[in-house]
Amino acid sequence: NAGVTQTPKFRILKIGQSMTLQCAQDMNHNYMYWYRQDPGMGLKLIYYSVGAGITDKGEVPNGYNVSRSTTEDFPLRLELAAPSQTSVYFCASSYRASGGAEQETQYFGPGTRLLVL
Amino acid sequence: KNQVEQSPQSLIILEGKNCTLQCNYTVSPFSNLRWYKQDTGRGPVSLTIMTFSENTKSNGRYTATLDADTKQSSLHITASQLSDSASYICVVSAADSSYKLIFGSGTRLLVRP
Repeated sequence: NAGVTQTPKFRILKIGQSMTLQCAQDMNHNYMYWYRQDPGMGLKLIYYSVGAGITDKGEVPNGYNVSRSTTEDFPLRLELAAPSQTSVYFCASSYRASGGAEQETQYFGPGTRLLVL
Repeated sequence: KNQVEQSPQSLIILEGKNCTLQCNYTVSPFSNLRWYKQDTGRGPVSLTIMTFSENTKSNGRYTATLDADTKQSSLHITASQLSDSASYICVVSAADSSYKLIFGSGTRLLVRP
């Protein structure tokens, strides 16, 4: 298993440009998440999904959009890049059984480093 | 306000020594507490997950403790190795209607030979 994969590893954007950060997992996990990690700060949840076709906002969703058309893929879209979106973005996935308690392990991808100039 | 605070911010120890990292939280209602290890340039990797009823959990040389009454946790690393150099992140899960993990900013550990 490749686990959670993310592309690209690094990207430089100009202000106002758009891009999609790709995330895929091959562990048949139902839950997927997008986080951002700013220097010296804790990770913050941007969006999450509990299954294909279902997404919901996290703590810092403004400026981002997501979709979940398949179990495996969870792309994150930046429509109008701003310098405040300079960060490292992590995708994660986990499996939670129906009715299961919220104790499952999250598996993280290697991250995408984004610089907006 | 739900918060997770970790101390110290950074720590340098010699190889073979033990160390303890601290985590204080104000998350309520509490669901569980997790410790992650994050190597430089990599994503976090789970070390332990503890629920309200658990007060200690080990993963090899890593031992986490939880005191739900004082809302404190610690991560003890025994016989440190150079590969332990990383950031250690304390994460608390809030047991409310929205799925939410509150991440600490981490303790950066450097193990020197």
